[in-house]
Amino acid sequence: DIQMTQSPSSLSASVGDRVTITCRASRSISNYLNWYQQKPGKAPNLLISGASTLQSGVPSRFSGSGSGTDFTLTISSLQPEDFATYYCQQSYTTLPLSFGGGTKVEI
Amino acid sequence: QVQLVQSGAEVKKPGASVKVSCETSGYIFTDYYIHWLRQAPGHAPEWMGWIHPNSGATNYAQKFQGRVTMTRDTSITTASMALSRLRSDDTAMYYCARSNLKISDFDFWGQGTLVTVSS
Repeated sequence: DIQMTQSPSSLSASVGDRVTITCRASRSISNYLNWYQQKPGKAPNLLISGASTLQSGVPSRFSGSGSGTDFTLTISSLQPEDFATYYCQQSYTTLPLSFGGGTKVEI
Repeated sequence: QVQLVQSGAEVKKPGASVKVSCETSGYIFTDYYIHWLRQAPGHAPEWMGWIHPNSGATNYAQKFQGRVTMTRDTSITTASMALSRLRSDDTAMYYCARSNLKISDFDFWGQGTLVTVSS
C-alpha cells in the first residue's frame, strides 16, 4: 500500500497569507496526486487533480506542484472561505486508493 | 447538473447490517465508477471499494473484504453499499463518489450518510 503523509497537520494563518501544505508518498506516484478541500459537515471537494490541474471553478490562488514522492498545495493569498481541512489523495495504485491525514487551516 | 443523493442516517446495534444507497443523476451512469468511502470523526476519508457501473464488477479494500457488498441498478442509476457485522468503530460518515474509468480522482460526491453503531 502507498502511505500518504501530510504536513503540517494543522496551521494558523491570517487572511492574505501565503500558505503551503506538503504531501509525501511512501513511493513514487508520478503525478497521480489530487487535492481536496473539506469544510465542516460537507463532503470533500476536488480542487486539483494530476498534481497541478485546477478544477473548473476553483480560484486561481490555489496551485499544486510536484511529482514522484513530494507534492505541495499553495494558497497564494488566503481568503476567509479557505479556512478548511485539506487532503491529498493518490490514484497511482487503485488497490487501495489512499489519502493523507489532512491539514487543518485555522485562523 | 451532476448529483449523487444518499439515503438518510442510520442507527444500528453491534452485529447488525446497514445498507446505504446513492441515487445519481445528471450524467451517463455507465460512464463512471461509483466508489464508497467513509470518514470517522476527526479522521481522513478511507476508501472502501468501487463498483463498475456497466459490468457490476467490484473491488474492495482488503480491510472490508467479507463484510462489504456493493451493488448497482442501472435502470434507476442507483448504487448501494451494504456493510455487515457492524462494530462501534464502523461509526462514521459514509460517502459515495464517482470517478472516471481511469479512476483518476473523485470529482463528485454524495452528501454523506451518518451511520452510528451503538448498543
